[in-house]
Amino acid sequence: ETGVTQSPTHLIKTRGQQVTLRCSSQSGHNTVSWYQQALGQGPQFIFQYYREEENGRGNFPPRFSGLQFPNYSSELNVNALELDDSALYLCASRRVHATDTQYFGPGTRLTVL
Amino acid sequence: SQQGEEDPQALSIQEGENATMNCSYKTSINNLQWYRQNSGRGLVHLILIRSNEREKHSGRLRVTLDTSKKSSSLLITASRAADTASYFCATDDRGSNDYKLSFGAGTTVTVRA
Repeated sequence: ETGVTQSPTHLIKTRGQQVTLRCSSQSGHNTVSWYQQALGQGPQFIFQYYREEENGRGNFPPRFSGLQFPNYSSELNVNALELDDSALYLCASRRVHATDTQYFGPGTRLTVL
Repeated sequence: SQQGEEDPQALSIQEGENATMNCSYKTSINNLQWYRQNSGRGLVHLILIRSNEREKHSGRLRVTLDTSKKSSSLLITASRAADTASYFCATDDRGSNDYKLSFGAGTTVTVRA
């Protein structure tokens, strides 16, 4: 157990809908990152939050957005869902300014029909 | 795009044998990490090796890093059925200050009883 939790475990949406995924960071970790993992591929970095602000972003469109709350929990929001958004979404937490381990949650499996 | 590339893509071994997988990457890095993933679930951190280290051990795991060749290897000794999983290497780009992780597509290891 890493101490990073995510909800929900599974989610089914239809194309065009909006979705919110949630993550609770490991205690003492104030930086959270989100990754998308398509079937058969490695995770791809979406963005990172520190002190409630985005401070790093991968090659994802603006319809992918996020929030970080004062208790370091986080949300990933995806608008106008597309079929290709079907994936496992992982969040990871770590201490800021530490070049060390990122701890991942169990993920949310999103299926877009 | 993915920074790391694991080789081989898939590996099938008998219980008790050793499993070796390799990772190559493209840019200068701070650290390289290996993660395990069981059946599309969350990533479990195995080991981190820093760019100034050449070899590291953790239990039955041995990791090497050759920064001149931009490559790493993960050796699992005396494999067990429970080692059946996908293994990913992840690097963080030294030129970036957000410590995002770049993953390869992974090596799928099957340990036969």
